[in-house]
Amino acid sequence: DAKTTQPPSMDCAEGRAANLPCNHSTISGNEYVYWYRQIHSQGPQYIIHGLKNNETNEMASLIITEDRKSSTLILPHATLRDTAVYYCIVRVADNNAGNMLTFGGGTRLMVKP
Amino acid sequence: DTAVSQTPKYLVTQMGNDKSIKCEQNLGHDTMYWYKQDSKKFLKIMFSYNNKELIINETVPNRFSPKSPDKAHLNLHINSLELGDSAVYFCASSLLLRTVPFFGPGTRLTVL
Repeated sequence: DAKTTQPPSMDCAEGRAANLPCNHSTISGNEYVYWYRQIHSQGPQYIIHGLKNNETNEMASLIITEDRKSSTLILPHATLRDTAVYYCIVRVADNNAGNMLTFGGGTRLMVKP
Repeated sequence: DTAVSQTPKYLVTQMGNDKSIKCEQNLGHDTMYWYKQDSKKFLKIMFSYNNKELIINETVPNRFSPKSPDKAHLNLHINSLELGDSAVYFCASSLLLRTVPFFGPGTRLTVL
């Protein structure tokens, strides 16, 4: 699986957009980009994933660069409850290994009032 | 309405004991996983299991064994517990082998 690089921490003002970057310069053509978050003492929560097109759901938007070497998770209006560690993961799901995700260090997002 | 549940939430035990953590999912998923989150907060896959195949991360000691009585359950048995087994263990499940895994709330294991 391609390795990802994320800043260890970021701050964001409440109500503002939080833009979390992720570099995955060795990504392969069949690898997806997944984003999860982990709020303190809880299990990881799925946010969004994509292959090459930008994606949006009720939680966030995922912007993937044209060369797919990096992506940005956007929380459009961050709230205090969005304070968490955000993980960017790249993975090719195949029938032999299941969707076994490898988590890195993530970005600790602190949303401040 | 809990999708993936684990019991117990906390488990404190002595070195050398054998313990089990239970996981149940009511999502109708056919693939389940166990992850370990150590004190440095890194999440590592331990097992992937469906009704056909068990995939084991090669770094997992054979003291750890997943057991699945049915498709909705994947329990984790740990023999001869060691101090280094102290961690938070997360169960997860997904539909088929390609879709997004959903995680349980975790079990914090403390070995004294």
